[in-house]
Amino acid sequence: EDQVTQSPEALRLQEGESSSLNCSYTVSGLRGLFWYRQDPGKGPEFLFTLYSAGEEKEKERLKATLTKKESFLHITAPKPEDSATYLCAVQENDSGYALNFGKGTSLLVTP
Amino acid sequence: DVKVTQSSRYLVKRTGEKVFLECVQDMDHENMFWYRQDPGLGLRLIYFSYDVKMKEKGDIPEGYSVSREKKERFSLILESASTNQTSMYLCASRQGSRGTQYFGPGTRLLVL
Repeated sequence: EDQVTQSPEALRLQEGESSSLNCSYTVSGLRGLFWYRQDPGKGPEFLFTLYSAGEEKEKERLKATLTKKESFLHITAPKPEDSATYLCAVQENDSGYALNFGKGTSLLVTP
Repeated sequence: DVKVTQSSRYLVKRTGEKVFLECVQDMDHENMFWYRQDPGLGLRLIYFSYDVKMKEKGDIPEGYSVSREKKERFSLILESASTNQTSMYLCASRQGSRGTQYFGPGTRLLVL
């Protein structure tokens, strides 16, 4: 069973149409939850780290939130340049250094 | 600005060849990682290193080895490349157990 599940797998939005991406996780103790953006053929680019339920982080049109079971990446009034794959990863308290990644959500924003 | 660099963006190798993928970070990070990324499977950890000359197996170490002789450099070695090792390989580095993990640009390897 996957520890990290992202939904939807793919999402198509019109420019300006706000939406949310979901990352649900099943770990015994969460040390941190991480969001990355990945453009085709490139390495993931760090966006946010969340450590505890109730925490929120914002960057431009993106806002990440965390509960005890899931995280949401809210995209407000997206633009075509926000098109990318968004990856979520979790680190358990007793996992040492490794992050466990979800399979990602592929976002396409059309003009 | 943080920097993780990988020696090649694209590589084409023949089955049975020995392949070296190199990664260098300039942030003095203790921890370095090698992942492979495949469609539908996501990122999977191959090996990581938490100090010079130290290494730990990840989820899919079979067919791979690693070397870390200097803090800034972490090499992934495919002893005898096979077609099922065709993939995107990503290197990452991280300070401590709570720091941000930064990725390199990736190496797309094709094994014929």
